[in-house]
Amino acid sequence: AQKITQTQPGMFVQEKEAVTLDCTYDTSDPSYGLFWYKQPSSGEMIFLIYQGSYDQQNATEGRYSLNFQKARKSANLVISASQLGDSAMYFCAMRPLLTGGFKTIFGAGTRLFVKA
Amino acid sequence: KAGVTQTPRYLIKTRGQQVTLSCSPISGHRSVSWYQQTPGQGLQFLFEYFSETQRNKGNFPGRFSGRQFSNSRSEMNVSTLELGDSALYLCASLLGASQGTDTQYFGPGTRLTVL
Repeated sequence: AQKITQTQPGMFVQEKEAVTLDCTYDTSDPSYGLFWYKQPSSGEMIFLIYQGSYDQQNATEGRYSLNFQKARKSANLVISASQLGDSAMYFCAMRPLLTGGFKTIFGAGTRLFVKA
Repeated sequence: KAGVTQTPRYLIKTRGQQVTLSCSPISGHRSVSWYQQTPGQGLQFLFEYFSETQRNKGNFPGRFSGRQFSNSRSEMNVSTLELGDSALYLCASLLGASQGTDTQYFGPGTRLTVL
């Protein structure tokens, strides 16, 4: 069975500082994709970053980077230079790449609060 | 390019009624997935459609059903509503060209309240 675990229900970070949101996963699929989404209070899910299990390098997208440690089955999101607009829920998600379909499972999320 | 649209945005129903939610994916996207989001259970996968075929289904009772039309628009239906069905229902679409790297894009959701 596949599972995503986000152990931090809530996190606080000072504006302009970096923050790491934890994500661990469990899967028996040999090939999989890992995603991070941001959900502001408006409710819409916004895609942030993608990492394939076969990728040798950690993914980066602007201020977002993914610290991927395959042996530990972790895919932590690092947000650099936090901004007030980063306050939101953040979800880690996983999708198998070899089985049919695009079923994606999500973690419980981490609520990030950015302090001025 | 228009994003994923969902209608209606808000809905209030009473127990026992049925409801139909609609999702229009991004133009050209062939896969549509539905998720239920509640404070207690988080985001839970309902089902996924690709080219009018249901390819994956989550662990929900048969009261939850869906379909996809030839233009990729999708509907989900919930019959005999229960209080616990109150949730934000999110629809997501993706191109469907490659298995892994396709990104899901979400709509704004339909907030269903069951009284």
